[in-house]
Amino acid sequence: EVQLVESGGGLVQPGGSLRLSCAASGFTFSSYWMHWVRQAPGKGLVWVSRINSDGSSTSYADSVKGRFTISRDNAKNTLYLQMNSLRAEDTAVYYCARARGYSYGEFDYWGQGTLVTVSS
Amino acid sequence: DIQMTQSPSTLSASVGDRVTITCRASQSISSWLAWYQQKPGKAPKLLIYKASSLESGVPSRFSGSGSGTEFTLTISSLQPDDFATYYCQQYNSYSRFTFGPGTKVDIK
Repeated sequence: EVQLVESGGGLVQPGGSLRLSCAASGFTFSSYWMHWVRQAPGKGLVWVSRINSDGSSTSYADSVKGRFTISRDNAKNTLYLQMNSLRAEDTAVYYCARARGYSYGEFDYWGQGTLVTVSS
Repeated sequence: DIQMTQSPSTLSASVGDRVTITCRASQSISSWLAWYQQKPGKAPKLLIYKASSLESGVPSRFSGSGSGTEFTLTISSLQPDDFATYYCQQYNSYSRFTFGPGTKVDIK
């Protein structure tokens, strides 16, 4: 059974940092591109970042470019999102998602999400 | 960047109704469009990919159509489990992915 389990969320002050993790199981993690998607309270889904299967290629939404870094450890079957210089508008539930298909843009499995709250 | 819009933003319907949600892209995305269902407090669930392909395990009352810039999601006979928010998402490029703002389907 495919499972994605996020962790690392919590309360952080503006300007602070946080690292999210997404532990994958039930599939060959090293064969799949992965994404982070976030959802502010009461709002819609927003794509954040993606990484290719070996970690050599990444992309970011303009709103997080230069502040967030996506990475992965295929030996540990784990995806990461390092978030620096956090702002109030980064407050959201962060989901990791497995990708497949054309441009690796079909998100077929999602984690349960981890809440990040940026507030003083 | 490609922008996505959805209409309506909210839809009130009854069990058994035929429901149609429209999604439009700001430029052509061929058939690279997916639909997701999300219930409160839960992760999104993939329903339709490549505009009209039904994801494994998804009931056949869900269907998708369209290409280019205009797409539709249809639920042929709304069931109690279908009351949720629906999002479209374009994946025309490897480096940018955009969701629509969502359509909430609630009970009339």
